[in-house]
Amino acid sequence: EVKVVESGGGLVQPGGSLRLSCVASGFSFSTSEMNWVRQAPGRGLEWVAHITTSGRRLYYADSVRGRFTISRDDSKNSLYLQMDSLRAEDTGVYYCGRYLDLWGQGTLVTVSS
Amino acid sequence: DIVMTQSPDSLPVSLGERATITCKSSQTVLYSSQNKHFLAWYQQKPGQPPKLLIYSASTRESGVPDRFSGSGSGTDFTLTITSLQAEDVAVYYCQQYADVPWTFGQGTKVEIK
Repeated sequence: EVKVVESGGGLVQPGGSLRLSCVASGFSFSTSEMNWVRQAPGRGLEWVAHITTSGRRLYYADSVRGRFTISRDDSKNSLYLQMDSLRAEDTGVYYCGRYLDLWGQGTLVTVSS
Repeated sequence: DIVMTQSPDSLPVSLGERATITCKSSQTVLYSSQNKHFLAWYQQKPGQPPKLLIYSASTRESGVPDRFSGSGSGTDFTLTITSLQAEDVAVYYCQQYADVPWTFGQGTKVEIK
């Protein structure tokens, strides 16, 4: 089965850190560009970050640049999102996606004291 | 950043009738090196991740019913559902991936009239 599965979400205090993981299966992860997209409660979709194959190029939304780091480990078919200096406005469901066409069920991140 | 504006925000449609959603970009989403418009349409149902319907403005993703179609060029695009079914009730988003940051429209909620 072709799928991606996110994990690592949870409750964290403002200023804290969290690392999200996404494990891919059923397709060639190493040849796939990957994304993180998030959705605040009751709101629309917001693109967060993109990584090309081999991690050659990284792209970020202005709202997270300098605080979030996207990375990948092709040997583990895994995508990561290191989130530092978290803010209340980072709260939401974070989706891992293969380019455009395959998205996981998401993992919930709640930033609150 | 390329701003994506959808209309309407909410669209009540009778079963079996046509639903039309428009998406306007603040600048062209034509990816000139490939001569394709990098414009996608997604469907999202409550509690679910986004599902890719259309990419390159008019190419239907595999497995998507042919009642869904995309059209447009330059900065103006349309998603049409030719005969609305009960299972089509959802929020629909357009997204440009021609330039970083990738950006989404605000979403259009399609419901049964």
